[in-house]
Amino acid sequence: DAGVIQSPRHEVTEMGQEVTLRCKPISGHNSLFWYRQTMMRGLELLIYFNNNVPIDDSGMPEDRFSAKMPNASFSTLKIQPSEPRDSAVYFCASRYTGEGEQYFGPGTRLTVT
Amino acid sequence: SQQGEEDPQALSIQEGENATMNCSYKTSINNLQWYRQNSGRGLVHLILIRSNEREKHSGRLRVTLDTSKKSSSLLITASRAADTASYFCAPEGWGKLQFGAGTQVVVTP
Repeated sequence: DAGVIQSPRHEVTEMGQEVTLRCKPISGHNSLFWYRQTMMRGLELLIYFNNNVPIDDSGMPEDRFSAKMPNASFSTLKIQPSEPRDSAVYFCASRYTGEGEQYFGPGTRLTVT
Repeated sequence: SQQGEEDPQALSIQEGENATMNCSYKTSINNLQWYRQNSGRGLVHLILIRSNEREKHSGRLRVTLDTSKKSSSLLITASRAADTASYFCAPEGWGKLQFGAGTQVVVTP
């Protein structure tokens, strides 16, 4: 199995631009999570999906952030417009629905200048 | 909050020594998980202990859970240089993990 796949691995963009991060979960997993990691705030859960349906988006910072999961094998996290404070490493994780071990992707390092 | 809080924040030991880190949380949980993160990488699951379990072992890892004190500990025995990483506890409730700030462990040869 290829594990959780994220793209791009690195993204550098200017303030005001739209950023789209992508995630392919492990085949067969039906829960997907988006996290953000910074030195200041640590690892924060942004949103998670069960069976492609958003269950809890209370961690999404503001309306500039949106996430979609159009099918079981693909999810996107979009930031529009981006701001320097959005600079962080964004992780996607997946697992079987319920509870238990989450499998993390390698992350996308986002830098907004 | 069910967010885990690790202690100490940083730990420096020599190869062969044991490393112990602690985690506290505030609400009821279904399970508690420990993860490792090497610099610049994603998190890797180490071990899960359910709320009705008190101790669990996996290789050189030993985890305890005391739900009455809302605390857990992770022991790494006979540490190796490759154990150098950040370690996070993550209490789970309502299907969500709440990660703490982590313990940075450095194992010197």
